[in-house]
Amino acid sequence: GQNIDQPTEMTATEGAIVQINCTYQTSGFNGLFWYQQHAGEAPTFLSYNVLDGLEEKGRFSSFLSRSKGYSYLLLKELQMKDSASYLCAVRDPMDSNYQLIWGAGTKLIIKP
Amino acid sequence: GAVVSQHPSRVICKSGTSVKIECRSLDFQATTMFWYRQFPKQSLMLMATSNEGSKATYEQGVEKDKFLINHASLTLSTLTVTSAHPEDSSFYICSARDRGGIQYFGAGTRLSVL
Repeated sequence: GQNIDQPTEMTATEGAIVQINCTYQTSGFNGLFWYQQHAGEAPTFLSYNVLDGLEEKGRFSSFLSRSKGYSYLLLKELQMKDSASYLCAVRDPMDSNYQLIWGAGTKLIIKP
Repeated sequence: GAVVSQHPSRVICKSGTSVKIECRSLDFQATTMFWYRQFPKQSLMLMATSNEGSKATYEQGVEKDKFLINHASLTLSTLTVTSAHPEDSSFYICSARDRGGIQYFGAGTRLSVL
């Protein structure tokens, strides 16, 4: 079956670094996505990994290991506005519409 | 990033009425758009995939006659909730996929059926 696992909730301190992990077991793989979703709002795109390695984009970085079925999102210099849910999603090439398979999301709480 | 516009952002309607939600990709063409539903503190639930010029593909358990989807152009998809009832109250979100395969989301529509 298709399964994506990520922690339900994490807490971190303003100014610190936090790593949100995501593991997946899917029938196929055609890229992994990270989205940020603030409460009551729609998700916004953060990053996309299709090859192994680290993709850096400002304070946010995303890592992928396809052999391990593993990714993480790294947030540096945390700000209060980073408090949000972070969604991991995998694109399934076996689906005719290439739809995304979504994790349940990790709620990140930033404390002063 | 690309911009997806979704309207209206909030709808309050009486039970039995129909509600139409529009989703537009403003700066790119989207062959494929997706409609999601999200309940409070829960993850996104895909309702249907909308392909331009063809019938939408509905997920299991989603009534196609209740949630009518039209994708008449490469920049516009609409979702109509027909004969809405209180149990249809939810947060509906559309997304459009660009040529690079990235899904960009609209701001969502919060539907409240009285």
